[in-house]
Amino acid sequence: GDSVTQMEGPVTLSEEAFLTINCTYTATGYPSLFWYVQYPGEGLQLLLKATKADDKGSNKGFEATYRKETTSFHLEKGSVQVSDSAVYFCALTIPYQGGSEKLVFGKGTKLTVNP
Amino acid sequence: ETGVTQTPRHLVMGMTNKKSLKCEQHLGHNAMYWYKQSAKKPLELMFVYNFKEQTENNSVPSRFSPECPNSSHLFLHLHTLQPEDSALYLCASSQGPESTEAFFGQGTRLTVV
Repeated sequence: GDSVTQMEGPVTLSEEAFLTINCTYTATGYPSLFWYVQYPGEGLQLLLKATKADDKGSNKGFEATYRKETTSFHLEKGSVQVSDSAVYFCALTIPYQGGSEKLVFGKGTKLTVNP
Repeated sequence: ETGVTQTPRHLVMGMTNKKSLKCEQHLGHNAMYWYKQSAKKPLELMFVYNFKEQTENNSVPSRFSPECPNSSHLFLHLHTLQPEDSALYLCASSQGPESTEAFFGQGTRLTVV
């Protein structure tokens, strides 16, 4: 079935370090791909998305490229900040009958950035 | 503020209680969702409503009962819960076929004692 696999955490980095969080997916058809972020005590917020192969999503210095050939959507940031500490979820959507869509999430990767 | 509001933010209930979680969105979205987030599990989709009709019940126990009276409101009625049902319950909405982005509420932290 459709699934998302992302790297196990937790990930601990120093401020200004380079971040990569790996994400691969299995899906029939052509899903849209997302990264969501969850700050402590909050719900999930969309960080970035890509809807077709070779698209690059970007936001707040984060980037991810939809790679169909490797079925991947790795999240990267060149220089992390303490405020980036959060849990990051990779996800894909599957079109549903009736018009709704089903979001399938990875398990989440907790990132802690130290000053 | 994402446009999706959940109440209450925190709830403590006994195993014999009956309570309800509420979710409200005024984004004009057609689809609404309940997710369960436990400490050691990935996000679990519980229910999907599209145009007020339930399109998925992801093998959720009957002690959880959803209700969608209109496209803007979604409820999750709870009764005779178990301690293992303690989790963060997240509501989300999306436009449907023309939008692939889901907007989440801040969640209700439920503790069953």
